[in-house]
Amino acid sequence: AQTVTQSQPEMSVQEAETVTLSCTYDTSESDYYLFWYKQPPSRQMILVIRQEAYKQQNATENRFSVNFQKAAKSFSLKISDSQLGDAAMYFCAYPAGGTSYGKLTFGQGTILTVHP
Amino acid sequence: GAVVSQHPSRVICKSGTSVKIECRSLDFQATTMFWYRQFPKQSLMLMATSNEGSKATYEQGVEKDKFLINHASLTLSTLTVTSAHPEDSSFYICSATQGFDYGYTFGSGTRLTVV
Repeated sequence: AQTVTQSQPEMSVQEAETVTLSCTYDTSESDYYLFWYKQPPSRQMILVIRQEAYKQQNATENRFSVNFQKAAKSFSLKISDSQLGDAAMYFCAYPAGGTSYGKLTFGQGTILTVHP
Repeated sequence: GAVVSQHPSRVICKSGTSVKIECRSLDFQATTMFWYRQFPKQSLMLMATSNEGSKATYEQGVEKDKFLINHASLTLSTLTVTSAHPEDSSFYICSATQGFDYGYTFGSGTRLTVV
């Protein structure tokens, strides 16, 4: 079974600073998707960013970017210019079979606090 | 964008009664629906996967007779917690997908409290 590990239960950052959340995963697939989701206090799951393993380029969405290291099976999320609204629980996720629609296995989550 | 409407958002029920949670895809056909359970400050744990017109596939350790899942149409899936007990109190989230490359759409969740 796939495993997804987030080793940072909690992280904090000052507003306007940069923070990196870590994620490692295990898979035997050669091509697959990886996701980062944000869960704010409302508890609505929000897709932050998606990475396709076959793409060499790291995915970027505005202030959010990933550092995808396929050989190391590492998929970290960098949040630049942190804002108060970034405070949330962040989950790394891997889909079954590596597809974009298989059941998701989530990491343990990282609670991000943003200080003004 | 794709929207999944989940109801109710909160429900309190007495121990021994049953509660039904609905998830509707409003503007797309959900070929597959996933049901998750989440305790405070913890991760989402998959309970079951359902495909329209088929029996749900439950994860190991999830009681099929307690958590009844029905996916009778491409736009509606329901989770019924039968004979609820206080330990069933949790946050339940559904997620739908249309299949290849459409990604996932999550419902807003249901907070169940059994008293």
